[in-house]
Amino acid sequence: GAGVSQSPRYKVTKRGQDVALRCDPISGHVSLYWYRQALGQGPEFLTYFNYEAQQDKSGLPNDRFSAERPEGSISTLTIQRTEQRDSAMYRCASSLSTGYGQPQHFGDGTRLSIL
Amino acid sequence: EDQVTQSPEALRLQEGESSSLNCSYTVSGLRGLFWYRQDPGKGPEFLFTLYSAGEEKEKERLKATLTKKESFLHITAPKPEDSATYLCAVQAGTQGGSEKLVFGKGTKLTVNP
Repeated sequence: GAGVSQSPRYKVTKRGQDVALRCDPISGHVSLYWYRQALGQGPEFLTYFNYEAQQDKSGLPNDRFSAERPEGSISTLTIQRTEQRDSAMYRCASSLSTGYGQPQHFGDGTRLSIL
Repeated sequence: EDQVTQSPEALRLQEGESSSLNCSYTVSGLRGLFWYRQDPGKGPEFLFTLYSAGEEKEKERLKATLTKKESFLHITAPKPEDSATYLCAVQAGTQGGSEKLVFGKGTKLTVNP
């Protein structure tokens, strides 16, 4: 079956613009996670949802970052007034059910570049 | 604060030369330790979950083990296609807490033919 789908794959935008990154999880997966990955580093947690409820947003760097999952399926990560330091690979993952120990399956990410 | 440290940062092996990757962790209540493989330009691919000290899991040439302080990923007779970055992550906390993963920086493995 299809894996986690993220769009766009690449996004280049000017400093100060807003961007929206989309994640379509594996069908039937109830939990959805957002991470950010710098080159040569492991993914760093941003936020996650169980169904449509945002469970933990402690990893969001500041209030310019927000995420939603209104119908418990597709999620959007929005960055307002982008800054150059926001440039990174943004990864989405999903898992079949809630609770500890569930494998999180990752998409291939959105590469965001802020000029 | 939960921390994961992987060593070495990079490892070069000859085909058939077995070795181990290390993942040391400090967490407040381990709920699971995860190993992932990441190929260039791709997202991490799930390999194993380990839950408690003494547990072992195997998949082809890979075997993961867990103690109370670290996990090892043993690679037996590796092939060039095993070349990738291997990531270790922990999930920790109290019941009802966050399900986030905390990752190490990874070990980049290169297997030469």
